[in-house]
Amino acid sequence: GAGVSQTPSNKVTEKGKYVELRCDPISGHTALYWYRQSLGQGPEFLIYFQGTGAADDSGLPNDRFFAVRPEGSVSTLKIQRTERGDSAVYLCASSLGWGENTEAFFGQGTRLTVV
Amino acid sequence: AQRVTQPEKLLSVFKGAPVELKCNYSYSGSPELFWYVQYSRQRLQLLLRHISRESIKGFTADLNKGETSFHLKKPFAQEEDSAMYYCALKDNTDKLIFGTGTRLQVFP
Repeated sequence: GAGVSQTPSNKVTEKGKYVELRCDPISGHTALYWYRQSLGQGPEFLIYFQGTGAADDSGLPNDRFFAVRPEGSVSTLKIQRTERGDSAVYLCASSLGWGENTEAFFGQGTRLTVV
Repeated sequence: AQRVTQPEKLLSVFKGAPVELKCNYSYSGSPELFWYVQYSRQRLQLLLRHISRESIKGFTADLNKGETSFHLKKPFAQEEDSAMYYCALKDNTDKLIFGTGTRLQVFP
C-alpha cells in the first residue's frame, strides 16, 4: 500500500512541553530509522531499529529524546521538555532489512516548531 | 571521522547545459554511496547508488576511491531536474550519513 507515513505533519508546541511523533513504516519492513533535519542541513541520524530493538541510538542528542518500537512496526519518537533548538523536520525511514542492496524509503516528515 | 561534503549550496544552470554536483566523503572502510533527491513538496527519495552503476533520469555517478568522490553528473539538464540533491554514505552500522545538500536550479 502506502509508503512510510508520519503523523502529525506539523506540530507546534510550547517550550518545556512533551511531544510524540509517530512513524508507520512500510508493511514488512524490519528496519526503521529516525533522522532530524534542521534548516539548511542534511538529515542527521538519530536512532535505528532492527525489529523491536534499538540497534544504534548513538545519534540521540541527549536523554530528553527517546524512541520505541514495541511491536516491531509503528515507532514513536518522544521528546521531553522541548527546547527551541529541537525545532526541525523529523524524518522516518524504513527498509526491508539491512546491509547492502537495501533501500531506505522516507516519510514526508514531521515539522516540529517549539515556541 | 565519517563525513560527506557537498561544497555547493546552490547550482544554477540553463536547460540543456551539463550538470555536475560534487560530493566528497571521508570513511575508513569500504563505502556504500548514494544520491537522494527531494523535489519541491515531495519526500526524500533514492536517485541512485554506486553499487548498481546505473543511469537514472539521465544521471550517473562514479565512485572514485582515489579522490574519495562520488560526483553526480548529467550531460543535458532539464527543468524538471530542479530539486535538492543529497549525497549520502552508508556506514557499517547501516545508518546513512548525509551531506548538507545542493539545490539545483535549471532555468528555461
